[in-house]
Amino acid sequence: QKEVEQDPGPLSVPEGAIVSLNCTYSNSAFQYFMWYRQYSRKGPELLMYTYSSGNKEDGRFTAQVDKSSKYISLFIRDSQPSDSATYLCAMSYGGATNKLIFGTGTLLAVQP
Amino acid sequence: NAGVTQTPKFRILKIGQSMTLQCTQDMNHNYMYWYRQDPGMGLKLIYYSVGAGITDKGEVPNGYNVSRSTTEDFPLRLELAAPSQTSVYFCASSDANGLAETGELFFGEGSRLTVL
Repeated sequence: QKEVEQDPGPLSVPEGAIVSLNCTYSNSAFQYFMWYRQYSRKGPELLMYTYSSGNKEDGRFTAQVDKSSKYISLFIRDSQPSDSATYLCAMSYGGATNKLIFGTGTLLAVQP
Repeated sequence: NAGVTQTPKFRILKIGQSMTLQCTQDMNHNYMYWYRQDPGMGLKLIYYSVGAGITDKGEVPNGYNVSRSTTEDFPLRLELAAPSQTSVYFCASSDANGLAETGELFFGEGSRLTVL
């Protein structure tokens, strides 16, 4: 079983739709949870960061962490064509090196 | 402020050749990382470094070597290239405290390597 599972998509939605992206994980020791966005032929960029369980909102983006279910989500409201990218979940145990474990990424296309 | 710079952006190698992927950052970050990204496989950690003179293996180190003689530079060496090393390679850096507080790695734009 992979440490982090993510549906690769692709996911295609019309402009203005609400998008839900999800990851599950197997190791309950993960403490930090992140979402990175990666545009085509570019490096990933941090989008959202959450410590432990709970919700975090930033504009049109909401990140949710449910540690009891080992499940994290990213919601995008009023999706825009500029949101078309690959979204990677990532998580870490914390500690001195803070190595990140990435999901495989979900390719999202928002159609105008 | 250029961030993380990787060279070359593209390279084709023949089986058995060697090469070095260069990575430099101008943010004075202590932590640097090399990842490879294959379709459907996500990002896999090859090597990382917590400071000049210190390196350690990640998840997939075989066939690669690194060195960290300065804070700014973290080159990745491929010896005896194999088709299995065809991938996109990303270098990243972080400030240790920043990573703990924000989870942020700063990535370069990637180096696309094909081994034929």
